[in-house]
Amino acid sequence: DSGVTQTPKHLITATGQRVTLRCSPRSGDLSVYWYQQSLDQGLQFLIQYYNGEERAKGNILERFSAQQFPDLHSELNLSSLELGDSALYFCASSNTLGDEQYFGPGTRLTVT
Amino acid sequence: GENVEQHPSTLSVQEGDSAVIKCTYSDSASNYFPWYKQELGKRPQLIIDIRSNVGEKKDQRIAVTLNKTAKHFSLHITETQPEDSAVYFCAVDSGYSTLTFGKGTMLLVSP
Repeated sequence: DSGVTQTPKHLITATGQRVTLRCSPRSGDLSVYWYQQSLDQGLQFLIQYYNGEERAKGNILERFSAQQFPDLHSELNLSSLELGDSALYFCASSNTLGDEQYFGPGTRLTVT
Repeated sequence: GENVEQHPSTLSVQEGDSAVIKCTYSDSASNYFPWYKQELGKRPQLIIDIRSNVGEKKDQRIAVTLNKTAKHFSLHITETQPEDSAVYFCAVDSGYSTLTFGKGTMLLVSP
């Protein structure tokens, strides 16, 4: 157990819908990262927050957005869902910038 | 952006043999190189990492070596056991602590 929690574990929804994935970092960690894992694209970095502020963006679609709240938990919002958005979404956290990243258990999203 | 190549994509060994997985990267400014192990349906788990100021790091049966000049680093697992079977990912810190991952190596250790 890494100490990073994610909810829900599984999510099944229809195309065109919107979902919110939630992540709580390890106690004391200030930085949160979101990754998408699919069979064809592998593990891809989406976005990073540090102490409430967006720090870096990767291959994140405009239909996706995220935020980190004052209690340091983070949410990833996925809208206008397409079949190709089906994937495992992982959250990771680190104490500060440049530290080791520890991954949560992931949310498996299935878009039908 | 950073480009990370990982080889081989699959690796089958007998229990007790050694396994080596290699990664190359493109950005010479990269300075942090972690390795993750992922079992089926589970989260990536950090198993070892190395920073650019050292050439080798060991932790029991696993070791990582780094050649900054050649821009490649390798994971070495000795005395492999069936429970080492998993997918292994190398990663490179591309700046701001964001990680670029290799495509993964599926390691199968047969008893």
